Amino acid sequence: SAVISQKPSRDICQRGTSLTIQCQVDSQVTMMFWYRQQPGQSLTLIATANQGSEATYESGFVIDKFPISRPNLTFSTLTVSNMSPEDSSIYLCSALGARDEKLFFGSGTQLSVL
Amino acid sequence: TQLLEQSPQFLSIQEGENLTVYCNSSSVFSSLQWYRQEPGEGPVLLVTVVTGGEVKKLKRLTFQFGDARKDSSLHITAAQPGDTGLYLCAPRASGGGADGLTFGKGTHLIIQP
Repeated sequence: SAVISQKPSRDICQRGTSLTIQCQVDSQVTMMFWYRQQPGQSLTLIATANQGSEATYESGFVIDKFPISRPNLTFSTLTVSNMSPEDSSIYLCSALGARDEKLFFGSGTQLSVL
Repeated sequence: TQLLEQSPQFLSIQEGENLTVYCNSSSVFSSLQWYRQEPGEGPVLLVTVVTGGEVKKLKRLTFQFGDARKDSSLHITAAQPGDTGLYLCAPRASGGGADGLTFGKGTHLIIQP
């Protein structure tokens, strides 16, 4: 199993600013992902964080808005840039377990943009 | 693009009742996972079903994968308040082993004491 620590757990930000969310896994994992979960909704995949290369973004998400870093096999960051109230959401980091393709999740970052 | 439907979207029942949640698609999947998410937490895997017709039990939860591997159901017997949460199905298409999962819209379940 993998334990994922995500921070901050919540934040309130002003429009036009940026927030960087950090995700730390307690073991080396091959795949890490970032999801967004809008209030009362399911999870939407933002991107796959690739170690040592540019992230792979899903349709509707772009690098300029959601730059992602993954410098090693246990750590990744997601930045929400130039925020607007529409970015208010929960952002979740996840990692794919090596054996059974089980996804482990952090507790999420609840972001509110004023 | 696969069309994935979960039903019902919301369900509120009394403690002790039984319920069934459904996950349906027109696509065939190599496997399907069910997750439960509690408020303030990330989703947690409950089960993975792989074989058409497969039935798995987890205490009071029974999971079934359709014979054609296009649908799945989750049945809870004698529901308890601790079963409250968002139940998400996440199928995996053939060859999608290392991809991020696509989740259904989820079923918000509330068990009232």
